[in-house]
This record gives sequence, C-alpha cells and structure tokens, in this order.
Amino acid sequence: KAGVTQTPRYLIKTRGQQVTLSCSPISGHRSVSWYQQTPGQGLQFLFEYFSETQRNKGNFPGRFSGRQFSNSRSEMNVSTLELGDSALYLCASSPGTGAGEQYFGPGTRLTVT
Amino acid sequence: GEDVEQSLFLSVREGDSSVINCTYTDSSSTYLYWYKQEPGAGLQLLTYIFSNMDMKQDQRLTVLLNKKDKHLSLRIADTQTGDSAIYFCAERGPGTYKYIFGTGTRLKVLA
Repeated sequence: KAGVTQTPRYLIKTRGQQVTLSCSPISGHRSVSWYQQTPGQGLQFLFEYFSETQRNKGNFPGRFSGRQFSNSRSEMNVSTLELGDSALYLCASSPGTGAGEQYFGPGTRLTVT
Repeated sequence: GEDVEQSLFLSVREGDSSVINCTYTDSSSTYLYWYKQEPGAGLQLLTYIFSNMDMKQDQRLTVLLNKKDKHLSLRIADTQTGDSAIYFCAERGPGTYKYIFGTGTRLKVLA
C-alpha cells in the first residue's frame, strides 16, 4: 500500500496570507488527523476528520480549518498567517476504528516571514 | 493536566538496551502508542498496546504498561545507531480518536 502523502513539502508565505495544505491518506483509511509540530510546543493536535465530518478538534483558533473529501483526501487551511504559524504540519491517516493506529506523512514545512 | 511527560534525553552505547519512559494523564486511556521520528521526517508507528495488557513484545521492542501508575515504557534491545531518533508516546481516551502526544525523548546511540 502507498503511504501517506502530503503536498507541498515546503512552503514560504508572508504574514497575512493564507495557505492550503493537502494530505492523501492510505487507501481504505477513513480518518485523517492534522498536527502542528514546533520546537517549543511539541506536537499539537489540530483536528480529525472521519468520513468527511470533523469528529475531534484541538484548541486552535478559527484561522485553522480543514475539510475532508469523499475520497478521504483532506486539506487544511490557515488564514491570516502569523509568524508563530511557522511549523511542521503533519497529517496522520488511520482506519478510524478499532486500535486507531495512525500513520504519518512526511509533513509540510511552513515558514511565515 | 493534559501533559504526557517524557524525559528529554537518553544516551546509550550500541548493543545495550534502551528504556524510554512515559507518564500519561488519563487512567481510562484505551490505547497507548509509541512513535519514532527521525530528522526531517514524519512519525513512524512502532507499536501500540491496549490498556488491558501489561506487556507487549515485538522483535526488539518491549512495551510495559502500569495502569495504576499511568506509566508506559519502551525497551529497545540491542540498540543500534539507526535507533537514534526522537521517540514519542501517545494516549487515546475512551470513545475518542483524539490523541495526546508526549514531549518526546531524544535517544542518542553511541558507537
């Protein structure tokens, strides 16, 4: 099976802009979760989508949003970028049931200048 | 609180065993996981354990779970230089697919 893919791998944006990140999960997986990883805050949970519905949500402002399509692919959007949004954004694919083990993509490195 | 705690660093000699510890927050957590992250990469699932188990062994990896103390450990036997990475534990509460990750332990294996 192909692994989790994330595009783009690297991104440089300016403060105030918006950005959309994409994640394609493992075939057959219905759950996609998004995480923000920074040296200071570690790995922070953003949200989880299961069968096109947001099932769980972390403690991030409304500037962070996401969606999931019928083929389970997911996108994450960040509007009005701030310097503090610079981070590695990781997507995790899971069956979404049972043990719920997650398989991570390589991440998108976002730099906000 | 919601912090899953891990020690920051661990250094071992090649061929020795490594033990990475984790204290989690929710005694009703159903599944606990261990992940490995190498530089510039995403997280790789190593193993997981269901909360009604005390131990799980998978080749060089042994997971021990002490529910009373909310303590999880990962033992890596015959540690190799390729095991150098950051190791994260994570917990999942009952009835939810929201995961809480630990702060990560950086393992350095000395040749």
